[in-house]
Amino acid sequence: DAKTTQPNSMESNEEEPVHLPCNHSTISGTDYIHWYRQLPSQGPEYVIHGLTSNVNNRMASLAIAEDRKSSTLIQHRATLRDAAVYYCILREAGNQFYFGTGTSLTVIP
Amino acid sequence: EAGVAQSPRYKIIEKRQSVAFWCNPISGHATLYWYQQILGQGPKLLIQFQNNGVVDDSQLPKDRFSAERLKGVDSTLKIQPAKLEDSAVYLCASSSLRAQGRGANVLTFGAGSRLTVL
Repeated sequence: DAKTTQPNSMESNEEEPVHLPCNHSTISGTDYIHWYRQLPSQGPEYVIHGLTSNVNNRMASLAIAEDRKSSTLIQHRATLRDAAVYYCILREAGNQFYFGTGTSLTVIP
Repeated sequence: EAGVAQSPRYKIIEKRQSVAFWCNPISGHATLYWYQQILGQGPKLLIQFQNNGVVDDSQLPKDRFSAERLKGVDSTLKIQPAKLEDSAVYLCASSSLRAQGRGANVLTFGAGSRLTVL
């Protein structure tokens, strides 16, 4: 079962930063925090992952709280193509990935 | 590298019929997953294989669903007999167990197989 909680939906204006929050208060020391997104009519795609330190890649940044009980996916400039459902997932020690319902991001032109 | 291949993309059947979905993961990926995604919901893990062994099938409805991964490469998910509530997209994903590299333990999904049960 999913061990993360996310807001059902969020909105952002185009070209503005987007901060998508995720709570994972029961995270264990070996669980990685993964983010995936799913564009309409496509399979989910990997965005970013991390363990303890903040992470940056070409798609986004991941800010992880010091106690690891929450994290935030940051997209620095939202575009219309970023409209998707974003899933925050804990990768457990057995490499299981349990998805929740995610956050549906709407980007307003 | 080639992505995760799935077929068929679309299938329409009547209830009580059977259906099979096929998945070919990325070459060298030891772990393969099948997910069920009902409209408006997040993907639900049905079964996880590592090579040709089952790691987790706790959410697989075993009275009607079965899956196999012979030779540890491609996999087949079967539903027999199908029910109306099985209408969903069936997603296959794979991941590598390499310890290093940005791709380590990251899921790569196929495009999915959309099943409609009438």
